Amino acid sequence: GNSVTQMEGPVTLSEEAFLTINCTYTATGYPSLFWYVQYPGEGLQLLLKATKADDKGSNKGFEATYRKETTSFHLEKGSVQVSDSAVYFCALVPNTDKLIFGTGTRLQVFP
Amino acid sequence: DTEVTQTPKHLVMGMTNKKSLKCEQHMGHRAMYWYKQKAKKPPELMFVYSYEKLSINESVPSRFSPECPNSSLLNLHLHALQPEDSALYLCASSHPGEGAYTGELFFGEGSRLTVL
Repeated sequence: GNSVTQMEGPVTLSEEAFLTINCTYTATGYPSLFWYVQYPGEGLQLLLKATKADDKGSNKGFEATYRKETTSFHLEKGSVQVSDSAVYFCALVPNTDKLIFGTGTRLQVFP
Repeated sequence: DTEVTQTPKHLVMGMTNKKSLKCEQHMGHRAMYWYKQKAKKPPELMFVYSYEKLSINESVPSRFSPECPNSSLLNLHLHALQPEDSALYLCASSHPGEGAYTGELFFGEGSRLTVL
């Protein structure tokens, strides 16, 4: 079946540290891949997306590359800020099917 | 600023009450969604409307009743809920893609429901 696996959190970093949140997936066909972010007390926001292999999605300093050979879509940021503290959800849409979320990874950034 | 507006932000209701959650968007999207999110969990899909017609019901109990009066509005009518239904209810919208989803959803901030 289709599924998304994310690293367990929380991820705790100091400001300006490098961030990686791992995401791997299982899917039939060629899914589209997404990262959503949920700030405390808010709904989810689409952070970035990639629709085919080797695509790189980027937004607000965050990047993720669609790696079909390793079925991965890891989220990275070179220098995190306190304001990046949130829960990050990796997600996929298999061909003609519904959005599937991973379990979420909480990021805590301290000054 | 979110472009999907949900009201109320907070709702407390008894198990015998009838209440409604409301959602509005003015982005011209023709797909609208209800999700339920428990604490520290990902959102779970409940319903999808595509072009004002119910296209997906994820086997949700009948005490939850969705309604899409027009392309901008989505309601969720609540009746005889249980305490375990307490959660954050998120509305979302998108352009309909192939099938029911494009994956590019715009979410509201949610309505936090507490059932006593």
